[in-house]
Amino acid sequence: GQQLNQSPQSMFIQEGEDVSMNCTSSSIFNTWLWYKQDPGEGPVLLIALYKAGELTSNGRLTAQFGITRKDSFLNISASIPSDVGIYFCAGPNAGNMLTFGGGTRLMVKP
Amino acid sequence: NAGVTQTPKFRVLKTGQSMTLLCAQDMNHEYMYWYRQDPGMGLRLIHYSVGEGTTAKGEVPDGYNVSRLKKQNFLLGLESAAPSQTSVYFCASSEGYGYTFGSGTRLTVV
Repeated sequence: GQQLNQSPQSMFIQEGEDVSMNCTSSSIFNTWLWYKQDPGEGPVLLIALYKAGELTSNGRLTAQFGITRKDSFLNISASIPSDVGIYFCAGPNAGNMLTFGGGTRLMVKP
Repeated sequence: NAGVTQTPKFRVLKTGQSMTLLCAQDMNHEYMYWYRQDPGMGLRLIHYSVGEGTTAKGEVPDGYNVSRLKKQNFLLGLESAAPSQTSVYFCASSEGYGYTFGSGTRLTVV
């Protein structure tokens, strides 16, 4: 099946720093989604991307749909402690079934 | 707005015991899913349902059974628990790609 590879697997940054993470696939996706999982909770949808090259923002978060349709990027500007969590990329394989990446764990030092 | 509710939140089982995890959604979604989350493995789909009375296998279905007798409920059963089934289990529902996840059930099999 399709696999999504996320990097880095984990990041430990200082509050106020910008964060970049990415997700790559060997297959083309027509939709990319980014979810965030707060500690002890289920993932929550942050951003959805539907078109190659699309750049979409949600507050301090910006995600891009790679032009090759095989990758996507998520940037967080001016990180704050509540950004802590696991960030997952996801893409649909068949019907409504999402394939999730392995996640990027973000830790923020105040 | 309850969204997706999972019960119980925590459970410890002895090897060989059985149990059922309950998932209820109040959004009238057709699609429901069960995932397991293990460290470094991301979210892996166990079983899913595309509507009342239907179920299908996901990526890691072995050792689990499911039922969707009512549209709002999706039950995950473990007939004979094994230590390898120690994990955090998430239920989700969706219309489209915006999955709504429950808060998870942390299961330990000793």
